[in-house]
Amino acid sequence: EAAVTQSPRNKVAVTGGKVTLSCNQTNNHNNMYWYRQDTGHGLRLIHYSYGAGSTEKGDIPDGYKASRPSQENFSLILELATPSQTSVYFCASGDAGWGDSAETLYFGSGTRLTVL
Amino acid sequence: GDSVTQKQGQVTLSEDDFLFINCTYSTTTYPTLLWYVQYLGQGPQLLLKVTTANNKGISRGFEATYDKGTTSFHLQKASVQESDSAVYFCALAEGSWQLIFGSGTQLTVMP
Repeated sequence: EAAVTQSPRNKVAVTGGKVTLSCNQTNNHNNMYWYRQDTGHGLRLIHYSYGAGSTEKGDIPDGYKASRPSQENFSLILELATPSQTSVYFCASGDAGWGDSAETLYFGSGTRLTVL
Repeated sequence: GDSVTQKQGQVTLSEDDFLFINCTYSTTTYPTLLWYVQYLGQGPQLLLKVTTANNKGISRGFEATYDKGTTSFHLQKASVQESDSAVYFCALAEGSWQLIFGSGTQLTVMP
């Protein structure tokens, strides 16, 4: 069974503070993703990675950095948190498979971040 | 660019009602279309996936048909149960990798 674990589950931060959201996957998937979920916007891609050492910008990368130190771990970093970054963040790993036209994403349970 | 539209933000039904969630897409390619479901307190999970080769997907009683003519990919279920209450996301796959998600439809099924 695919397993993606996010920590913390809930986080309260102050404006201007640094926040790190962590994600660990035991699926041995090459691809990992960070999304944020906001009412009316669905899931929006922040950063993604094709493997250890790689990070790529998604659709809304401003104000976020990402780090993929290993196959299993993918972090999202908010260097200077702002109230507009209050949201629910989801990490996912992806398994394209052979001959598949779209990979299946396996999501973690999310981190609810509140920036005061 | 490619996009996915779900106009229904919320749908409320009673048990055994018919479910229809509208999804339309815009793309210049022949994408794979997907439905993800998110139960309360969980991350989204794949419900079904349809490619241009098979046109229809069926899973757990849900059905979606890929209609290139109307660029639609509606989700249907003949008889919903309270346990189907969740948020449903339509998504479009660009190539083999990145997904574009719709804004989601919150389904509430009353007992």
